[in-house]
Amino acid sequence: NAGVMQNPRHLVRRRGQEARLRCSPVKGHSHVYWYRQLPEEGLKFMVYLQKENIIDESGMPKERFSAEFPKEGPSILRIQQVVRGDSAAYFCASSPMRGTEKLFFGSGTQLSVL
Amino acid sequence: DQQVKQNSPSLSVQEGRISILNCDYTNSMFDYFLWYKKYPAEGPTFLISISSIKDKNEDGRFTVFLNKSAKHLSLHIVPSQPGDSAVYFCAASGKTSYDKVIFGPGTSLSVIP
Repeated sequence: NAGVMQNPRHLVRRRGQEARLRCSPVKGHSHVYWYRQLPEEGLKFMVYLQKENIIDESGMPKERFSAEFPKEGPSILRIQQVVRGDSAAYFCASSPMRGTEKLFFGSGTQLSVL
Repeated sequence: DQQVKQNSPSLSVQEGRISILNCDYTNSMFDYFLWYKKYPAEGPTFLISISSIKDKNEDGRFTVFLNKSAKHLSLHIVPSQPGDSAVYFCAASGKTSYDKVIFGPGTSLSVIP
C-alpha cells in the first residue's frame, strides 16, 4: 500500500495521558498536513510541515499540542495531558511538493479520551 | 471565522437525477478550489478541482462551476448513483505555495435507489 499510513487507527487515552499519532506519507512526499475533525464538524487545519521544518502551525492549540516531521521516520502529532475535548478524528495528508493542493489523506486516527 | 461555507449539511437525491452541492467562500485571495469525497471510517479522497482562472471543469459525471464575483462554487453530479453517497467537502487555497488548504464543514449526500 503506497498511500498515507496512519497509526493507530483507534487510540484510547485517559485524561492527563499523552497521545502520539503517527503518519507515514506517500513515498516521495515531503509535505505533511494534519487536520482534526470534531464530531459533526468539518476538517480543521492544524499544522503543515516539511521535512524537519514547521511551515504553518496556525491551527495548532498553543498548549499541549506539538508536531514534527523528522528527516527519517514518520510525522508525529503529540498531544500531552489529553482532555475530553481532544476526542476527535485526526487526519494526516501528504503532497509531493509546494503549492500542490491535491492532498492524499490517510484513514485517520480516532482518539477517544475517557 | 469560517472562510469556506457549505450551508446544506445534508442532501437527498434520487438515483439517476442530478446532485448539486453548493459552497461559498469569503476570502478573495483564494486561488484554487477543490472537492473531496469522504466515506465513513476513511480519509477524504480528491474528486475534482478548479483554478480561479476558469469557470468550469468537468470530469466524467462530475462538473465544478466557479462564480468568482459571487464567491460561489458548485459541484454537479449527473447522473447520481448510490455509490456517490458520502460526505463532500469543498476546499480552497491561496496563491502562495505556503497556503494551507481550508475545508468547509461538508455536505452529506444520500442517493436513494
